[in-house]
Amino acid sequence: SQTIHQWPATLVQPVGSPLSLECTVEGTSNPNLYWYRQAAGRGLQLLFYSVGIGQISSEVPQNLSASRPQDRQFILSSKKLLLSDSGFYLCAWNRLAGNYEQYFGPGTRLTVT
Amino acid sequence: GDSVTQMEGPVTLSEEAFLTINCTYTATGYPSLFWYVQYPGEGLQLLLKATKADDKGSNKGFEATYRKETTSFHLEKGSVQVSDSAVYFCALSDKGTSYDKVIFGPGTSLSVIP
Repeated sequence: SQTIHQWPATLVQPVGSPLSLECTVEGTSNPNLYWYRQAAGRGLQLLFYSVGIGQISSEVPQNLSASRPQDRQFILSSKKLLLSDSGFYLCAWNRLAGNYEQYFGPGTRLTVT
Repeated sequence: GDSVTQMEGPVTLSEEAFLTINCTYTATGYPSLFWYVQYPGEGLQLLLKATKADDKGSNKGFEATYRKETTSFHLEKGSVQVSDSAVYFCALSDKGTSYDKVIFGPGTSLSVIP
């Protein structure tokens, strides 16, 4: 069966510090991978998606970037965090063929102080 | 473009009450429809899905029917429990897009009180 991991689970970082969040998927190959952000009490905002190694598409211009160095690894980064980067970050994956439902990781709670 | 609209709540119900969360969508193609649930502090879990018109998705006592004529996918449960307290997201995926994009509604917060 497939599983998706995210770490860290929680993170408190000062403004201006760098960020690296990691997501890995097990039990499948060549998945589509996604990063979402969920602000407090709000819906999901798609930040990045990737259909393969090294292929990253950005949905919204952000203070953030993403990379996919390996097939099942997706990393969200920032060089300098802003207060507005606080939120709940969710990684998700789905199959290339199928009914397109996405499967989500447990999330990372980021607080920028 | 494609979109999903759902009642935002919050919705507060007593235990064993009947639940309906409305969801309507706009899509150019023939999307698949989903309901996801998010428990406090967790990621989203797929609750149920329907892939074509008149399909009924069901899971854990929840049901939703894909109504193409009204472009709706309302979530229902006959008797809610305290453990159903969560945020519920309606979503669609359009097979015509260049990647597997899923569009989510804003979410509906449900609180069930004993």
